[in-house]
Amino acid sequence: QQQVKQSPQSLIVQKGGIPIINCAYENTAFDYFPWYQQFPGKGPALLIAIRPDVSEKKEGRFTISFNKSAKQFSLHIMDSQPGDSATYFCASSPMIKAAGNKLTFGGGTRVLVKP
Amino acid sequence: ETGVTQTPRHLVMGMTNKKSLKCEQHLGHNAMYWYKQSAKKPLELMFVYSLEERVENNSVPSRFSPECPNSSHLFLHLHTLQPEDSALYLCASSQEGLGGAVYGYTFGSGTRLTVV
Repeated sequence: QQQVKQSPQSLIVQKGGIPIINCAYENTAFDYFPWYQQFPGKGPALLIAIRPDVSEKKEGRFTISFNKSAKQFSLHIMDSQPGDSATYFCASSPMIKAAGNKLTFGGGTRVLVKP
Repeated sequence: ETGVTQTPRHLVMGMTNKKSLKCEQHLGHNAMYWYKQSAKKPLELMFVYSLEERVENNSVPSRFSPECPNSSHLFLHLHTLQPEDSALYLCASSQEGLGGAVYGYTFGSGTRLTVV
């Protein structure tokens, strides 16, 4: 079974700090790498996504770094705020339908940003 | 709302009850999914429907029965559940691209199910 391994399971930072969440994947057919943010009582919501043709993507305070050779990607939250406290999931999916037509999710990281 | 609506938001049921969860998407997507979210397994895929056809069933017990009458609606029928089935049940939809690739899900807010 193809997996996406996410670490750490939880993270506590002070306001203004930079939480970093890492994910590693196995399937070389994966070519879409989104991150989802989930607040308590809500479903996960798409935050930012990257394709393997670039090594970095920024949207506001959120940055994805991608290392194709290492099959790893990470999420950085710049100048973190208490409102960023949530659970974050990485995910991957393949381009080729024969490899499975669904996202594979990591195990999630609970981030707490202290005021 | 995110474009995917789930009802009810909360459900308490006894082990002998029969109930159904409903999901409706207003995004024109052609694939829909049921996920179970619990402390032990954060996002556990249960069923996948593509173009109203079930394409995946991840070894889910038969006490869970999905139904997809059209591309906008998805149901999860529940009967004789166990207390360990208590969890947040999430519905999601997506648009399959060329070759069947999937480019991101839109999730509903989920149904918090408690089995007593």
